[in-house]
Amino acid sequence: SSELTQDPAVSVALGQTVRITCQGDSLTSYYVTWYQQKPGQAPVVVMYGRNNRPLGVSDRFSGSSSGKTASLTITGAQAEDEADYYCSSRHSSGNHDVIFGAGTKVTVL
Amino acid sequence: QVQIVQSGAEVSKPGASVRVPCKASGYSFTGSFIHWVRQAPGQGLEWMGWINGGNGNTKYSQKFQGRVTFTRDTSASAAYMELSSLRSDDTAVYYCARDAYQPTTWSYAAPKLDVWGQGTTVIVSS
Repeated sequence: SSELTQDPAVSVALGQTVRITCQGDSLTSYYVTWYQQKPGQAPVVVMYGRNNRPLGVSDRFSGSSSGKTASLTITGAQAEDEADYYCSSRHSSGNHDVIFGAGTKVTVL
Repeated sequence: QVQIVQSGAEVSKPGASVRVPCKASGYSFTGSFIHWVRQAPGQGLEWMGWINGGNGNTKYSQKFQGRVTFTRDTSASAAYMELSSLRSDDTAVYYCARDAYQPTTWSYAAPKLDVWGQGTTVIVSS
């Protein structure tokens, strides 16, 4: 499949840990990029490449990957981490098309 | 500083076309690719394609092939997305974003869209 599958929503208690997953055939071939999007704002990269975190992104965010599953973990979730999270990869056909997961809404309780 | 600026909103009628500008500054426009991504109300991100800021080469998502055209003006460090035969379901926020990666990464990594415009809201309504 060329799709990326994400859970629609997850919730986490303040200060606890939450893992967001992204599944797809293409993930065996490509490093995923993770985006955070807050309401009314453009997406922001929070993880890219082989689990690299951009400057300015909290070290609460970490990434991992195994087989067809990539994960974004928020350790010690804060209120400001409440957002939509999207994974992105390339199409498994090798045509370099870009695909996005449907997104996961993270609610911090 | 590195930034991308987009216009605020466009209102178009069904069947018409819309042209959305994307103005970059603070980096080498010709050394990067610009991707276009749209987001319908309450929906997720949808990739439309890219344009090479250097040579103007383009790649379109099959979904939009034949209906979308990307162009650029290197003297203005600007890219443009034109979408034709508009339908109501084209109502969305249209983003342009810089890919921080070069083609050498395409064989093993997703794009890293590290600088985004604020988005242009396109409303298609009669």
